Formats: sequence, C-alpha cells, structure tokens
Amino acid sequence: GNSVTQMEGPVTLSEEAFLTINCTYTATGYPSLFWYVQYPGEGLQLLLKATKADDKGSNKGFEATYRKETTSFHLEKGSVQVSDSAVYFCALSTFYNTDKLIFGTGTRLQVFP
Amino acid sequence: EADIYQTPRYLVIGTGKKITLECSQTMGHDKMYWYQQDPGMELHLIHYSYGVNSTEKGDLSSESTVSRIRTEHFPLTLESARPSHTSQYLCASSESLERGRSEKLFFGSGTQLSVL
Repeated sequence: GNSVTQMEGPVTLSEEAFLTINCTYTATGYPSLFWYVQYPGEGLQLLLKATKADDKGSNKGFEATYRKETTSFHLEKGSVQVSDSAVYFCALSTFYNTDKLIFGTGTRLQVFP
Repeated sequence: EADIYQTPRYLVIGTGKKITLECSQTMGHDKMYWYQQDPGMELHLIHYSYGVNSTEKGDLSSESTVSRIRTEHFPLTLESARPSHTSQYLCASSESLERGRSEKLFFGSGTQLSVL
C-alpha cells in the first residue's frame, strides 16, 4: 500500500542552523509529494510540492527534491528562524486519488533564539 | 489565504451528548474533507464529499456522520459522544481538477474535542 515515513521529532535547533527533516515514501506509480506545515493553533498549510521525479519544490526558504531512486522527499532549509517552529507533515497523493492525501506522522520543529 | 472556518475551536462535553462540528468554506470548492488528528499528530481521513448530496467514508472508520446540503457547508455530527472520540478534527476543501493533477488542500484551524 501507499505510505509515508517521517523522522520522529521533536527536532530542536538554534536560530540560523541548517534543517533537514527526512521523508521517505512507498507508492505505486508516480505519486505527487507535498510538505504541509501546521503552526501552533492553526490548520495545515501547503508549504511546497513536487509532482514528478527530480522536481524541486521551494517556498519561504524551504526546499525539497523528489528523488525517485531513493523514494525520498527530504525537507531542507539553510537557516531556520524562531518563526519556523511548527509541525511539518510530509504527504503524497496518487494519480487516481489526487485529493486523498496520505500523511506522515508529522515532525515537530522547535527553534530557539 | 484560506477561507475555511471551523467552529467551535474547543469543545468539552459529557459522554452521551450529541454534538455537531461546523465547517464552512467561501471558496466555492466542490470537494470537502474531515480528518481526525490523534495525539501523535497522525492525520486520518474519516469523511469526504465531492459535492452537494455526496458523502463518503474515508480510510479510518468513524462513528461520526456528515452531510452536504450546501456547497459551502460540511458539518460533522456525533450522535452520542464518548471519551474515545476525544481528538482534533480538521476540515479541509479543495477545488476539482482533472484526473491526474495534484490538488492543494485548504485546512481550517480545527476543533479540539474533549469528551469527559
């Protein structure tokens, strides 16, 4: 079946540190891949997405590259800020179920000044 | 900016009560969803709708029911709440795209339900 595996949190970093949150997936065919972010007290927001192999999604300084050979979609940011503290969800959708997202378990990021 | 609203934001209620969680969107989206988010943060799809009078059960079995009488409104009802229903409930919507095109979901802020 289709699934998403994320690294467990919390991830604790100092401001301006480099961030990597690992995400790997299992899926039939060619899924679309997403990162959603949930800030405290809010709903999820789409952060970035990639719809085919080697695509790079980017937004707000975050990047993730769709790697079909390693079935991964790791989230990176070169210099995190306190305001990036949130829960990050990796997700996928398939060609025949483009709206039914399969989410990972979420990774909490805490950034300290 | 998402225009999808959930009320109430927090609800504490006793066992056996009937409750309705409200969800409304002003974007004219045909598709709407309810996700249940457990304390471990994992999200599970419990209901979805592709338009007025369309409702389907999601991947996770739920004792709740939904209705879609108007495009903008997708309420979730629990006839008799139990402590096992304690969870965060997230409503979402998306616009319909042709098959194969990935869709962006817009989420509400959620309702945190606690059943005592």
